[in-house]
Amino acid sequence: DAGVIQSPRHEVTEMGQEVTLRCKPISGHNSLFWYRQTMMRGLELLIYFNNNVPIDDSGMPEDRFSAKMPNASFSTLKIQPSEPRDSAVYFCASSLRQGVYQPQHFGDGTRLSIL
Amino acid sequence: RKEVEQDPGPFNVPEGATVAFNCTYSNSASQSFFWYRQDCRKEPKLLMSVYSSGNEDGRFTAQLNRASQYISLLIRDSKLSDSATYLCVVVRSGGYNKLIFGAGTRLAVHP
Repeated sequence: DAGVIQSPRHEVTEMGQEVTLRCKPISGHNSLFWYRQTMMRGLELLIYFNNNVPIDDSGMPEDRFSAKMPNASFSTLKIQPSEPRDSAVYFCASSLRQGVYQPQHFGDGTRLSIL
Repeated sequence: RKEVEQDPGPFNVPEGATVAFNCTYSNSASQSFFWYRQDCRKEPKLLMSVYSSGNEDGRFTAQLNRASQYISLLIRDSKLSDSATYLCVVVRSGGYNKLIFGAGTRLAVHP
């Protein structure tokens, strides 16, 4: 079975540019999570979707960040305009359902560097 | 104060050693607890769940003390392949099961 697929694996761009990160969750999973990991702040939840609907976006840093899930098999996280402090590893994770705890399966992550 | 606190380490131990990691959490309403493992430049992966009665998986033993809001992970007979960062995870209930990650404890096992 394919796991959570993220693209690109690495992204290096200049500040001010738009960055789009992509995620394909595991087929059949209806919960999707975007996380950001930095040395200073560790792993933080940015946004949670359930059945393609954003349920908790309280972790989204500011208006420069936006996330969409147009269908059950695809999600994007967009940063516009990007800033050097956005440099981090961004993980997407999916799980079967909420209610009863189900393990979250993480993608390989996107390593983002904003110059 | 962070909701989940861990000793960042690093713990440098020889092969065969026993090593223990500790974690404390501040939300007494937390219901579920886990240890995740993260290798360098890789994604976090579930290592094991933590139950009040304690649970063991091979060389790994996890314990939970609800009264003290304390979680532990014991690794016996350390292997080189155990070198990684170990993340303590608490599930914050209410609305949905939100994972709260500790900053992680680094373990380096040397020959």
